[in-house]
Amino acid sequence: AQKVTQAQTEISVVEKEDVTLDCVYETRDTTYYLFWYKQPPSGELVFLIRRNSFDEQNEISGRYSWNFQKSTSSFNFTITASQVVDSAVYFCALSEGYYGNNRLAFGKGNQVVVIP
Amino acid sequence: KAGVTQTPRYLIKTRGQQVTLSCSPISGHRSVSWYQQTPGQGLQFLFEYFSETQRNKGNFPGRFSGRQFSNSRSEMNVSTLELGDSALYLCASSLRAGSHNEQFFGPGTRLTVL
Repeated sequence: AQKVTQAQTEISVVEKEDVTLDCVYETRDTTYYLFWYKQPPSGELVFLIRRNSFDEQNEISGRYSWNFQKSTSSFNFTITASQVVDSAVYFCALSEGYYGNNRLAFGKGNQVVVIP
Repeated sequence: KAGVTQTPRYLIKTRGQQVTLSCSPISGHRSVSWYQQTPGQGLQFLFEYFSETQRNKGNFPGRFSGRQFSNSRSEMNVSTLELGDSALYLCASSLRAGSHNEQFFGPGTRLTVL
């Protein structure tokens, strides 16, 4: 079963518009971590944020913000005032287990295209 | 500080051959994980190594194997290549095993099987 679902496959926005990427996860563990990674055309995955299951505080970092809601098993990501450099594939990922591991289960990704 | 390096960057092989990919983690990082990325299956976890020991293994056949050396460098090997093994293979390093660490990814090795 898919542990991480990113429903939208490709999203096109005009520069300066906001874009929100949805991520829904599934786990039976009470301890887990959620991540967002960005993959630009160069192919290298770039870490954006990590959140643990006990910290539902939402966060804003520059033009990026994250909304974590355990009640709906969602960890959504918003880019405010998008720029052409934001064009990339964005992946939501989950790692599970109290004792921790580095095994990430990724969603299928959202291709974001920012049109100038 | 240098990032994660992977060699080679591109590789073309034919069915039935075997291939070895190499990954050098960030200096000081001791955990190395491998992922396969394909258009159909997306990003899938292959295995994780820490202190020369495999800690985790994904759902891949035994043709996929790996190892880690005392300097934390890692190699993965795919034997008896199949067309479906064509993919981008990504290596990620982190400071230590467990603890749901932030992982730093390399640029990947693009493997094409003909």
